[in-house]
Amino acid sequence: EPEVTQTPSHQVTQMGQEVILRCVPISNHLYFYWYRQILGQKVEFLVSFYNNEISEKSEIFDDQFSVERPDGSNFTLKIRSTKLEDSAMYFCASKGQTISNQPQHFGDGTRLSIL
Amino acid sequence: GESVGLHLPTLSVQEGDNSIINCAYSNSASDYFIWYKQESGKGPQFIIDIRSNMDKRQGQRVTVLLNKTVKHLSLQIAATQPGDSAVYFCAELNQAGTALIFGKGTTLSVSS
Repeated sequence: EPEVTQTPSHQVTQMGQEVILRCVPISNHLYFYWYRQILGQKVEFLVSFYNNEISEKSEIFDDQFSVERPDGSNFTLKIRSTKLEDSAMYFCASKGQTISNQPQHFGDGTRLSIL
Repeated sequence: GESVGLHLPTLSVQEGDNSIINCAYSNSASDYFIWYKQESGKGPQFIIDIRSNMDKRQGQRVTVLLNKTVKHLSLQIAATQPGDSAVYFCAELNQAGTALIFGKGTTLSVSS
C-alpha cells in the first residue's frame, strides 16, 4: 500500500539554525499538508499546499516557516531560525486528486529537537 | 472558533470487550469527520470517516456514529484486541476544507 515517507526520523539542531524536513507524499496525490505535535498534545495544522501554492496556513506558520515542492516527488518544510519551542513531531500528509472529502494520509513524522 | 474535543483522556478495557471512544465538536457546519489511530512513534493512521449526511458508518470491527443534534461523534471498536492499544483522535475538516482540526486524543489501553 502506498505511503507517505518522511526523512529524517529524528533531527537535532542548535537554536537559531535552519532546518529542512523532507516528505515524499503518495505519488498520485495533489494536496499536501504539514502538521506538528508537541509531546503529549494534539496534532496541530500548520499549512496546506495545492497546485504549487499555499492554500491555507495557521497562526503557527509564521515568517520563519516555508514550504516547497522542489520537484515532482518531494515536499519540504523549512524553518529558517529555529527556536526551542519548535521542538515537536512534524507530520506530513497528503490527499488524493479531488477536492471532495477524503482522508489525509500521514507519514510517521520527523522528531525535531532544538537544543 | 473551531475546536474538537474528547470526553475522556484514557480508557482501559479488557481484551474482547467493546470500546467506545467519544468526541464532541463545536462547529455545527462541519460536514466531514475522521477517526485516526496513533501508535507510539508513528503518525496518525486513518481508521474510518463519516460525512454529515450520514448517522452511522461501519468498517471492519469499527463503527462511527454521528449525532449532529448534540454535535457528538463516537468510535466503537468491537472485540477489542491488545493491538488496538493506541491514542485515538477524532478530526474535523475545517469550513474551508483545507485543514483537519484534531481533538486531544484518548489513550486506549487493552489488557489481556
